[in-house]
Amino acid sequence: KNEVEQSPQNLTAQEGEFITINCSYSVGISALHWLQQHPGGGIVSLFMLSSGKKKHGRLIATINIQEKHSSLHITASHPRDSAVYICAVRSEVGNQFYFGTGTSLTVIP
Amino acid sequence: NAGVTQTPKFRVLKTGQSMTLLCAQDMNHEYMYWYRQDPGMGLRLIHYSVGEGTTAKGEVPDGYNVSRLKKQNFLLGLESAAPSQTSVYFCASSYSAGGVGYTFGSGTRLTVV
Repeated sequence: KNEVEQSPQNLTAQEGEFITINCSYSVGISALHWLQQHPGGGIVSLFMLSSGKKKHGRLIATINIQEKHSSLHITASHPRDSAVYICAVRSEVGNQFYFGTGTSLTVIP
Repeated sequence: NAGVTQTPKFRVLKTGQSMTLLCAQDMNHEYMYWYRQDPGMGLRLIHYSVGEGTTAKGEVPDGYNVSRLKKQNFLLGLESAAPSQTSVYFCASSYSAGGVGYTFGSGTRLTVV
C-alpha cells in the first residue's frame, strides 16, 4: 500500500507556465514536507507544513489537513525548476516518514 | 558549510563483502535517518536514531545495522552485501521529530555484484 500518492508522475511545461503538483496521503500526520531532487541526485527540503500555506519565492505550498491533501505550485516556471518533486509525510504515530514516488518536472525553454 | 556529509559517494561491492557508510552532520540535530532510494519507489527508511546512543528499525531494516556513538555521526553497516542492496542510500538529519531543519546528504550509490 502507498501511504502517499503524488500526481502527476511526469510533467512537461513551457517556461513561464504555472505548475501544480498534488499529494494525497492516507495516514494521520504531524507534518508534510515537499522535497526537490535535482538530476545530480541531491535532495533539498523546500517546505515543511502542518497547516495552511507557505510561500518562498515562486514556490507556494498548501495543505488541507481535513482532506489529507497538499499542493505545490510553481509560478512562472523556469528550466532550472526541472527536478523531481517529492512529497513526504511525518506520521502522527511512531517516527516514520512516508514518501511519494515523486513527480518528474521538465520545464522547456 | 553546515550540512550532512556522506562518505563514500560511490562503491562497488562483491556479494558477501561488508562495508560501512558514514553520515556526519554539524547542525547539532538530534534525529538522523538512513534511507534507500530505488527506481519507481519512494525513499524508504532503513533505520533511524532519535539521539546519541539510540537506534531504531525503520521500514526495511533487514541486512543492515547502524550505530550512533556520537551525536554528529550515524553509521550504516552492511555485514554481508547482497545484490538486492544495490541502491542509492541517503542520510538525513533533523532538529525535531516533525522534521524541522530536514537536511539530506548527497547520497551514496552502491552496487553489489
